[in-house]
Amino acid sequence: AQSVTQPDIHITVSEGASLELRCNYSYGATPYLFWYVQSPGQGLQLLLKYFSGDTLVQGIKGFEAEFKRSQSSFNLRKPSVHWSDAAEYFCAVVLTAGSSYKLIFGSGTRLLVRP
Amino acid sequence: SAVISQKPSRDICQRGTSLTIQCQVDSQVTMMFWYRQQPGQSLTLIATANQGSEATYESGFVIDKFPISRPNLTFSTLTVSNMSPEDSSIYLCSVARDAGNTIYFGEGSWLTVV
Repeated sequence: AQSVTQPDIHITVSEGASLELRCNYSYGATPYLFWYVQSPGQGLQLLLKYFSGDTLVQGIKGFEAEFKRSQSSFNLRKPSVHWSDAAEYFCAVVLTAGSSYKLIFGSGTRLLVRP
Repeated sequence: SAVISQKPSRDICQRGTSLTIQCQVDSQVTMMFWYRQQPGQSLTLIATANQGSEATYESGFVIDKFPISRPNLTFSTLTVSNMSPEDSSIYLCSVARDAGNTIYFGEGSWLTVV
């Protein structure tokens, strides 16, 4: 079945350390992939998205993600984490069926930042 | 871009009652969706709101519990019927353009059932 998986429920990093959040998808065609962030009590914010072309995508807040077809992955990275990055991160994929489509979310990864 | 307004933003409801959430978009869109986010969970798609026809529900969601209307290309409603505490969630409206290239979310309706 078509799906998106975030294998890490929680990740804790020290402030200033690098970050990588994993996302794997199961989808036959080239997917549309997204990363969203949700701070406690807040709405969703789009960090970045990938449709085609350059497999390394730059987003807001210093985040980037790399699409790797061979690994069915779209991992989110940041070279130096700030305390304000503590939040829930969701990977999502657009699934298409004929002319219709829908956005499906992974289960999320909660990022904790140690001072 | 698209600006999405959801009402109510928050509500506390008695069990057994129903609540209708409204979603208004500032421009016409083809695709509108309703999501549920239970406490500490990810977003789960409830249904695609189809203009002029019945909504398309995802597995685990039924029209009797979550009736949806979509009278035009800028407006939709989601009703949560016969509520129980398990329905306490954030309900989000979403719209999409450009074959899914661009997706917008409302701020959500935070529902608590007591």
